[in-house]
Amino acid sequence: QKEVEQNSGPLSVPEGAIASLNCTYSDRVSQSFFWYRQYSGKSPELIMSIYSNGDKEDGRFTAQLNKASQYVSLLIRDSQPSDSATYLCAVNKGEYGNKLVFGAGTILRVKS
Amino acid sequence: DTEVTQTPKHLVMGMTNKKSLKCEQHMGHRAMYWYKQKAKKPPELMFVYSYEKLSINESVPSRFSPECPNSSLLNLHLHALQPEDSALYLCASSQVRGEGGVWNEQFFGPGTRLTVL
Repeated sequence: QKEVEQNSGPLSVPEGAIASLNCTYSDRVSQSFFWYRQYSGKSPELIMSIYSNGDKEDGRFTAQLNKASQYVSLLIRDSQPSDSATYLCAVNKGEYGNKLVFGAGTILRVKS
Repeated sequence: DTEVTQTPKHLVMGMTNKKSLKCEQHMGHRAMYWYKQKAKKPPELMFVYSYEKLSINESVPSRFSPECPNSSLLNLHLHALQPEDSALYLCASSQVRGEGGVWNEQFFGPGTRLTVL
């Protein structure tokens, strides 16, 4: 089992729709969870962090965390073509603290 | 200033060359990181510095040599690299620890695109 798993996609959604990206992780002691967006040829850009169970909203983005199910998700409302990118889920590895482990990433395509 | 800068943006080197990658941040962060990213793969951690001391080395070959001269600067010295070392090299920084013991967000620089011939 991979430490952080994501569906590689591509996930295609029409402009204005909700995009739902999912991630599961294996280390039960992990405390910090992040979503990064990466455009082709660019570096990862942090878009959301979440540390507690429940939802966290920031603009069009909502991160959801369920530690019991070891599940993290990212919802993007009113998806725009500019949201087309690879979304990386990252989880801190409990044993090493500030070591981040990344999922393989989900490619999102928003069609106008 | 919420930016991590990296130089150079692009680097082409031969297998016998010695070169260095540089990273700088002015966010007051005391943890800095080097990652390697191959095409269509996620970033892979190479090194972590906390309070200017090397805290994690992910079994990286000795042809990669990190250095942290001060809390704002991080270097990666390269020597006798192989073509398979060609990749995007990313620097990141973060606070060491946040409230409640959680680990804070890491902010990435733009990266150095390295090609080894």
